[in-house]
Amino acid sequence: DVKVTQSSRYLVKRTGEKVFLECVQDMDHENMFWYRQDPGLGLRLIYFSYDVKMKEKGDIPEGYSVSREKKERFSLILESASTNQTSMYLCASSPTGGGPTEAFFGQGTRLTVV
Amino acid sequence: AQSVTQLDSQVPVFEEAPVELRCNYSSSVSVYLFWYVQYPNQGLQLLLKYLSGSTLVKGINGFEAEFNKSQTSFHLRKPSVHISDTAEYFCAVTPSLNFNKFYFGSGTKLNVKP
Repeated sequence: DVKVTQSSRYLVKRTGEKVFLECVQDMDHENMFWYRQDPGLGLRLIYFSYDVKMKEKGDIPEGYSVSREKKERFSLILESASTNQTSMYLCASSPTGGGPTEAFFGQGTRLTVV
Repeated sequence: AQSVTQLDSQVPVFEEAPVELRCNYSSSVSVYLFWYVQYPNQGLQLLLKYLSGSTLVKGINGFEAEFNKSQTSFHLRKPSVHISDTAEYFCAVTPSLNFNKFYFGSGTKLNVKP
């Protein structure tokens, strides 16, 4: 089974802190995603990476950056956390080859910025 | 551009009753379709997917969905729900020309009452 692992289930950080959310997948998938989930808004794409060191902005990239130095790991960085970044963050991965298939999700990180 | 609409943000239903969760999409190209389920404080888990072939798709936990191209819909159904089906359900699409990107609806919370 594909496994996508997010390093923390719950995080509490202070305003202005630099925050790192880590995600690792074990199925050699080319694509990795970071989504933000807020009530009533569904999942909104923050950033997408289709290869090592390659990234694309999603719908809401402001206030975030990403890093993908190795194929299996995709990090989301909040440069200076703010209270409006309190949310559930979901990492996902999917393969490129072999035709269309679903995205596989991690368990999520619930981040609270105080 | 693609968009996904889930018209019902919440659906209350009694145990053992049938349920339908609605999903409509908009796209200028053909799409592949997915339904995911999210239990509280968990990631998203795939329920079922439509990639090609029969428009009636069966998934896990007794759920099924029907792809209707003319109505651009992919409604999720279950003939008899259980308390354990209480969760949030997300419809998603990925375009056939770029199935590396996923677009999600805003979610429907299914509340099964005893």
